[in-house]
Amino acid sequence: QSALTQPASVSGSPGQSITISCTGTSSDVGGHNYVSWYQQHPGKAPKLMIYGVNKRPSGISNRFSGSRSGNTASLTISGLQAEDEADYFCSSYTDSSTWVFGGGTKLTVL
Amino acid sequence: EVQLVESGGGLAQPGGSLRLSCAASGFSFETSEMNWVRRAPGKGLEWVSYINPSGSTIYYADSVKGRFTISRDSAKNSLFLQMNSLRAEDTAIYYCAREELQLDDGFDIWGQGTMVTVSS
Repeated sequence: QSALTQPASVSGSPGQSITISCTGTSSDVGGHNYVSWYQQHPGKAPKLMIYGVNKRPSGISNRFSGSRSGNTASLTISGLQAEDEADYFCSSYTDSSTWVFGGGTKLTVL
Repeated sequence: EVQLVESGGGLAQPGGSLRLSCAASGFSFETSEMNWVRRAPGKGLEWVSYINPSGSTIYYADSVKGRFTISRDSAKNSLFLQMNSLRAEDTAIYYCAREELQLDDGFDIWGQGTMVTVSS
């Protein structure tokens, strides 16, 4: 149950786009469509931003999008806003019927 | 209002025990799949355990298997996590979360978390 690999940090200026990668294996990210992304602000609970690789829950801005290529999933945030500054985590279902999260990426809006 | 509220966290000694509770309201808890997820200080999220609506299917992370026990009481709309043989590395904020089938099993409802500190 090794954690999925995410960059520790990314940054961008307001209005720009950024992409966060999430690399796993064929036993998790590459083998299941149950890949999700969560946003967590300091002291708050995580919030579901993307599910099923590329679907947005009701109420989530279309500035957030998800994709996958092979064993790597990606979260793209376009039109960066100050309130997007947070920690982001990917998650995937695994062949062992368990869940695995990424190590997390701290997004800084410059 | 849809919400999950955790309780039961606190300070425990290494080798000790704690029992966490998660009270659900505003949605159909009895038909919901539930999970516990934790976040250690300065670390990322870590999935801990899963239980299906009937309680007949349960899974654990390797890091807690044999020490933690997940359970639920649908009559009381409550989820539990019994934590035994606690270690310093179990220190974390523990969240309960609903796994929603309609959202490809995304965790769509989270509690505010309860802090567990394991220290002598």
